[in-house]
This record gives sequence, C-alpha cells and structure tokens, in this order.
Amino acid sequence: DGGITQSPKYLFRKEGQNVTLSCEQNLNHDAMYWYRQDPGQGLRLIYYSQIVNDFQKGDIAEGYSVSREKKESFPLTVTSAQKNPTAFYLCASSIGDRSYQPQHFGDGTRLSIL
Amino acid sequence: AQKVTQAQTEISVVEKEDVTLDCVYETRDTTYYLFWYKQPPSGELVFLIRRNSFDEQNEISGRYSWNFQKSTSSFNFTITASQVVDSAVYFCALSEAHSGTYKYIFGTGTRLKVLA
Repeated sequence: DGGITQSPKYLFRKEGQNVTLSCEQNLNHDAMYWYRQDPGQGLRLIYYSQIVNDFQKGDIAEGYSVSREKKESFPLTVTSAQKNPTAFYLCASSIGDRSYQPQHFGDGTRLSIL
Repeated sequence: AQKVTQAQTEISVVEKEDVTLDCVYETRDTTYYLFWYKQPPSGELVFLIRRNSFDEQNEISGRYSWNFQKSTSSFNFTITASQVVDSAVYFCALSEAHSGTYKYIFGTGTRLKVLA
C-alpha cells in the first residue's frame, strides 16, 4: 500500500546533539512538508519542498535543516541550535505544490530531550 | 492576515449524540480552500474533506456533514450519532490560492471524546 513512513517513532536527543528524522513516501508525490506539533497548538510548517534538490523555509525553520536528494525522501535534521526540540514531528506529501491539493501525513516522530 | 480559529478545545459527548465542531477562518484571498483532518491517537492526520471558496454546498458523507458559510467565514463539521471510534483531535485548515506559498494554516484543533 502506498503511504508515508516516518522513523523512528520515538527519538531522544542529548544536549548538543544533532538528530535526523526520516520521511519516505511511495506515493510518487512531488511536494513534501515537515510540521511541528506542540500540545494545544496547531501544526506549524518547518520546511517544504516542491521538487527534488529544492526546498523552502516555513514559519519555524531556525534550528532545523533538510535535504531532498530523492523524490521519495525528505529527511529533517534537528540541530543543536534548536533549543526547544521536544515536540511531535509530522511529515506530509502532496501530488503537487498547489494550494488545493490535500496533504497526506505520516504517523509522526516524537522527539524528546534526555 | 490568515487565521483559523477552533474555539472548542475539547468536547465530550456520550455515544450516539450528535456533535458539531466549529471552525472560523480569516482570509483576504478570494480563492481559498478549507480542509478538515482527523488525528486519532496513532498520530497520523487523516484527510476528511476539502472545500473551495466557490462551492458553498453542504456535504454529507455517511455520519459526517459539513456546513460552509462564507457570510460568517465558518466551515463547521457535524458528526451524527457519534461513536467511540470518532474520538480524536480534529483540525481545520486553510490554504490560499494567491498567497505565493503552499502552506496550510491550521487551527489549534478540537479534541473530541466520545464516551461509551
């Protein structure tokens, strides 16, 4: 079945450490997105990518980095510069980068600080 | 400025009751799209419906129905005869056609608890 796979489901980060969250899709979607979800808040966009080798900052990109070397993969690195990384991270994809396209989501990675 | 407001933080109902989740949006764009998503405990957001700004017809899908009213900038979601499996967080989202970006503006979500 087609879908979006995020791994790991749970991740722990030590102080000063970079960690990478994986997102893979087999839907043949061009656009991919990373969101952060905090308790009681809506989803906030970190980065998005419309095509391979191209990506744009969202609303809260500071302390994060991404790459898009393959159409199906969009990994997110949470760097040591992100001082409050504890959150639920969701990856999404859509057929194209148009505003009417529904986004399809993975089941998330929960990141915590050790 | 774009904004989506879901004023109901949490709603509890008893099984078989009807429940309406409110969504109020703000936008200056004349063409926009509204979405509802369901987030069960597993965490994945599940797409439920999309409505564009030119289509004010209400929609019904089984026990779910949606009421879109441009005059009040609202896009409310009603579950009829609620079931325990409906327990989840529900998000309303807005996407603007002419914003120059492709992002959704999400509301803060409404947690629905359906009690047996």
